[in-house]
Order: sequence, then C-alpha cells, then structure tokens
Amino acid sequence: DVKVTQSSRYLVKRTGEKVFLECVQDMDHENMFWYRQDPGLGLRLIYFSYDVKMKEKGDIPEGYSVSREKKERFSLILESASTNQTSMYLCASSLFAAQETQYFGPGTRLLVL
Amino acid sequence: AQRVTQPEKLLSVFKGAPVELKCNYSYSGSPELFWYVQYSRQRLQLLLRHISRESIKGFTADLNKGETSFHLKKPFAQEEDSAMYYCALAGSARQLTFGSGTQLTVLP
Repeated sequence: DVKVTQSSRYLVKRTGEKVFLECVQDMDHENMFWYRQDPGLGLRLIYFSYDVKMKEKGDIPEGYSVSREKKERFSLILESASTNQTSMYLCASSLFAAQETQYFGPGTRLLVL
Repeated sequence: AQRVTQPEKLLSVFKGAPVELKCNYSYSGSPELFWYVQYSRQRLQLLLRHISRESIKGFTADLNKGETSFHLKKPFAQEEDSAMYYCALAGSARQLTFGSGTQLTVLP
C-alpha cells in the first residue's frame, strides 16, 4: 500500500511566521503535489514536482514556495503566513503523470492567527 | 484551459434511492476523468476512473463527450455512501483539475 504522510495534522501559527509543511511518500513515486482544500472551492493545486529539484506552479502559487531535495520528500513553505492561508493542506503523489492515480496524505489543518 | 463544474454543493437522498452526482467539464482535447471520495475522517481516495470502466462500490460513471459530462451514479444508495465526492480531470498538463465537490448525505 502506498503511504503518504504529512508532518502535522494540526498547526497554529501567527501572521508573519515562516511555516514548513512536510510530506513523505514511500513508494518511489515521481510526482508529488500540494493542494489546499477549502469548503465550496474544492481542491486547488498550489505546486507540483515531477522530479527531484523540479517544480511547477499550480493554480494558486502566490505566497507559497516548495522544495524537493529528495525523491520521497516534498515540502511546502509559507514564507510569511497570512490569515487567508488558513486552510486544509493536502499532499499527494502519483507514479508518473497526473493521469495516474493520486494517493493523498491525511492533511494538515493550518490556522493562522 | 481545463475546468470542472459540480453544480450541487449538497445532495441528500434516502437509503435505497438512486443517486446521481453531476460533473461537467470543459476541455478541448481528449480528457481523462476521475471521481475521488473522502469519507468522514479519512483521506481522499480514488473511487473510479473512466478509462478502467469499472464499477466500484456499486458506482458507475459514463463519459459523455457530447454533453461534456461524467456523472456518477448508483442505483441504490447506502448510508455508508455518505461522503464528499470530487470529480477531477487530467488534460494535457501534468496536473489534475478538481471540481468544488458535492457532499452526499444518505438518510436512513
């Protein structure tokens, strides 16, 4: 079974703080993704990576950056957290292209005060 | 640009009744379409994809290119089907585009 883990289930941060969300997958998947999930808006892609050190912007990259130094790990960074970044963050991975099944982590619920 | 529309935010049906969750898409090429499901306190997971033509947990979905739709159907809903359902499209880009989701509640 594919296992995608996220470093925290719940996180509370203050406005202006730098926030790191970590995601690890154990199935040697090429692609990894970061989404945010908001009621009424569904899932929106922030960034994705199709190889180590490679990244591409998704639909809402503003205010975020990512890092993929190792194949199994994909980090999402909020350089200066703002209240409008309060959300549920989901990480996912897939073997090759987006057309493959994506496997999701349990999510990190971030509250920015 | 690719777009997925799920017109119903909330849908309630009684146990044993048929259920249909609507999904319409906008994409100029040949799409790959999926339904993902998130049960309460569980992670998001794939329910079915159109290319496999499978029936999962009694659900089916048919791609209608003329109407650009991929509606999810089940003839007899069960209480355990209550969940959030997302339709998703993989087009030419490396990414999936998700709809806004439909929360299905199956009433006893």
